[in-house]
Amino acid sequence: DAGITQSPRHKVTETGTPVTLRCHQTENHRYMYWYRQDPGHGLRLIHYSYGVKDTDKGEVSDGYSVSRSKTEDFLLTLESATSSQTSVYFCAISFGERFSPLHFGNGTRLTVT
Amino acid sequence: RKEVEQDPGPFNVPEGATVAFNCTYSNSASQSFFWYRQDCRKEPKLLMSVYSSGNEDGRFTAQLNRASQYISLLIRDSKLSDSATYLCVVNNQAGTALIFGKGTTLSVSS
Repeated sequence: DAGITQSPRHKVTETGTPVTLRCHQTENHRYMYWYRQDPGHGLRLIHYSYGVKDTDKGEVSDGYSVSRSKTEDFLLTLESATSSQTSVYFCAISFGERFSPLHFGNGTRLTVT
Repeated sequence: RKEVEQDPGPFNVPEGATVAFNCTYSNSASQSFFWYRQDCRKEPKLLMSVYSSGNEDGRFTAQLNRASQYISLLIRDSKLSDSATYLCVVNNQAGTALIFGKGTTLSVSS
């Protein structure tokens, strides 16, 4: 158990509504990541964080924002959800430095109707 | 060229078979290499790191070829429980994060 909790586990929402996904870790690991996984695309990096209030964009960041006000929480927000954001979202943490192996949460399955 | 490329498969093999997956990467400066395993509707889990000299963990052997920019995973004596998708992972060209291949699906049958 890597001590990572994602919430909610499942969510159905309507187009145009805001959605926030939460990733919580029980230890003080510095690096946290949000990925999305879609058939045919694999895992793609959305945003990542390298410390409190330190975040940066990944390859598919459009339409997403993140915040990290505490070490243990990394929030992913869809300001106005679209059907193209229907996906499985995984949070991951690195136990060591930036290119140490990642450990993933159980995922959040988001459906935008 | 995509940063990480894998043959999607599926690879269908009988129990006891030996199977090998390859993965190519575009960033010649990559320093970190891993293989992950992902079961259906589950999160990816680290299978093993890949070291320059090659490394083995039980029935699994990982190798790195820097000159040709590929890594490989060899599974010997395949078990039914090895059925999963195997993801190749390297650090990206920007040096900011780990990039995942799309995965290779393995199905082991009795």
